[in-house]
Amino acid sequence: GQQLNQSPQSMFIQEGEDVSMNCTSSSIFNTWLWYKQDPGEGPVLLIALYKAGELTSNGRLTAQFGITRKDSFLNISASIPSDVGIYFCAGQTSGTYKYIFGTGTRLKVLA
Amino acid sequence: NAGVTQTPKFRVLKTGQSMTLLCAQDMNHEYMYWYRQDPGMGLRLIHYSVGEGTTAKGEVPDGYNVSRLKKQNFLLGLESAAPSQTSVYFCASSPDRVAASNQPQHFGDGTRLSIL
Repeated sequence: GQQLNQSPQSMFIQEGEDVSMNCTSSSIFNTWLWYKQDPGEGPVLLIALYKAGELTSNGRLTAQFGITRKDSFLNISASIPSDVGIYFCAGQTSGTYKYIFGTGTRLKVLA
Repeated sequence: NAGVTQTPKFRVLKTGQSMTLLCAQDMNHEYMYWYRQDPGMGLRLIHYSVGEGTTAKGEVPDGYNVSRLKKQNFLLGLESAAPSQTSVYFCASSPDRVAASNQPQHFGDGTRLSIL
């Protein structure tokens, strides 16, 4: 099945550092979503993007909908230990009800 | 507001056994989804429903069946469980119009299923 390419797969960073991750697709999407998943729980929505070029923030998180509509980026500023988890991107194509998920970025923050 | 509730949370089955996973949402959402999550694979869509009485296949539908007899419930069935179906199963729901809501898709906490 189709999946998004999400990178990096995992990363270790020092507390206080900024983090960047991205997703790319061969398909054009009309919606991009970014989720965080903690162990033993379901994904929780962080940011939703609906327009090409859109830049949206949620606290220390900022996500952008790529101009080509085939990519999206998530940045976390000044990371803290509770940022640890797996971050997923998801895209939805026009005219469908389905979301396609990336393979996730596992983030570990070193205090 | 419970959101999306999945039952059971854990289950161990023997190969060939059958079972049904239940998903219930109390947000009056039209769309409901069943995903499976395997290590390194992200979330893959099994089946989904765009309204009461409707179902459709996702990316990996083989070996599963679903039913949406009531708007608030979406059932996932395994008729004859196989070890390859060992996974964590997530249910999700979303409103009719994605752009009309800032919470496009809500997830349950998952069901951990092991097939021996």
